[in-house]
Order: sequence, then structure tokens, then C-alpha cells
Amino acid sequence: NAGVTQTPKFRILKIGQSMTLQCTQDMNHNYMYWYRQDPGMGLKLIYYSVGAGITDKGEVPNGYNVSRSTTEDFPLRLELAAPSQTSVYFCASSGTGDTEAFFGQGTRLTVV
Amino acid sequence: GNSVTQMEGPVTLSEEAFLTINCTYTATGYPSLFWYVQYPGEGLQLLLKATKADDKGSNKGFEATYRKETTSFHLEKGSVQVSDSAVYFCALRVRAGNNRKLIWGLGTSLAVNP
Repeated sequence: NAGVTQTPKFRILKIGQSMTLQCTQDMNHNYMYWYRQDPGMGLKLIYYSVGAGITDKGEVPNGYNVSRSTTEDFPLRLELAAPSQTSVYFCASSGTGDTEAFFGQGTRLTVV
Repeated sequence: GNSVTQMEGPVTLSEEAFLTINCTYTATGYPSLFWYVQYPGEGLQLLLKATKADDKGSNKGFEATYRKETTSFHLEKGSVQVSDSAVYFCALRVRAGNNRKLIWGLGTSLAVNP
């Protein structure tokens, strides 16, 4: 019962570098989400997907890209990392109907 | 638009004290309401939910009642424990076609002292 798995757990990037945050779920959920969590700011939705091949922007998509080639995977790409992207990133998934969202353990990213 | 407002933290209580964390919302349509909990260093997990007016969600001694007349979903627990120390998030989801996005409050940090 793995649920939602995110990798890596921690990462330090230099300004201008790029990286991909991996997210995979084994619950056959159609809906997947990427959030960032900044201290005292709650959760901000970056991108979401309603199914394989379909993605859409959330509240704060600038500086990020996503893809959804399979139901299981929803990677988040950071191009040209900036200090403003220092945050904790959470991937989540949910099924149809009024089901709960399941969260990964998070990736703590620092851009220096 | 849709929004969630939670009482600001941090909230500090002694063990066995009564807990209330206020949550109010604005929404178009008929939202489902949720409380999620985030323990230190972990992701969020569902604590309880209610999908229609007057429903009461409950779990682990926590309760919240969906009050449409006051647009509220306050979280309560009669006797908190040190292990309840965490950040609590109120959220709503409005049924609108394929929209499954959750609207989040800012979170309320709870610290329970022995």
C-alpha cells in the first residue's frame, strides 16, 4: 500500500539549475496535483491533471512544467531554478466522486 | 469565488484541554468540507469530512459539523493529547463537472503541552 510516492525528499539546487520532482501513485486515481507549501502561507496549487494527457495550471504555475503521460506518474519540472522556488512541494492524488486527496511525504527544495 | 478562512495560530493548549479551531467558508454551489492534519515532517492526511449540510464528521476524537446557515465547519476535540500537536487545514471542494480542486485554508498550528 504505497499510496503516493515522491522523490527526492530533499534537494539543494543552485540558481539556474533545473530538476524534476517525481510523483507516482498506485491507486489508479485520475486526479493528480502539485502544491507548494511556504511557511504560514498554506498550500498553493501549481498544476493539476484530470487524467493521462490532460494538465492545467493552478494558482502559481510560473517557472514550472508538468506532464502526465500515464495515470500513475505526474512529474514536476523546474527550469532555471530561482530562490523564490525554495519551498516544500507536495504531490497528491484523488479518485472520482467526493473522495479524499492522498498526499506524498513532500520534497523540501532549497535554491541557493 | 470560493474561499476558506481559518483562525490564525499558533494555538497552544495544555493536555486534556478543549480544542476549537474555527473555519468558515464562501462557496458557490454545494461544497464538501474537509479537515486535514499535517504532523511534523509529513504530508497532509484526511482527518474528517462532511459532504452535506448538518453532516457531522468525526475521527480520533475530533468532530466537525457542516453548518450551512453559518457557513462554518469548526473543528473540536474534548480533550487534546500531546500527540495531537500538528497543523490543521480546513478545505472545501465544490462539485462542478470534472473539477476536483480543493480550496485550502492557511492552516492552524496546534501545540499541546504535557
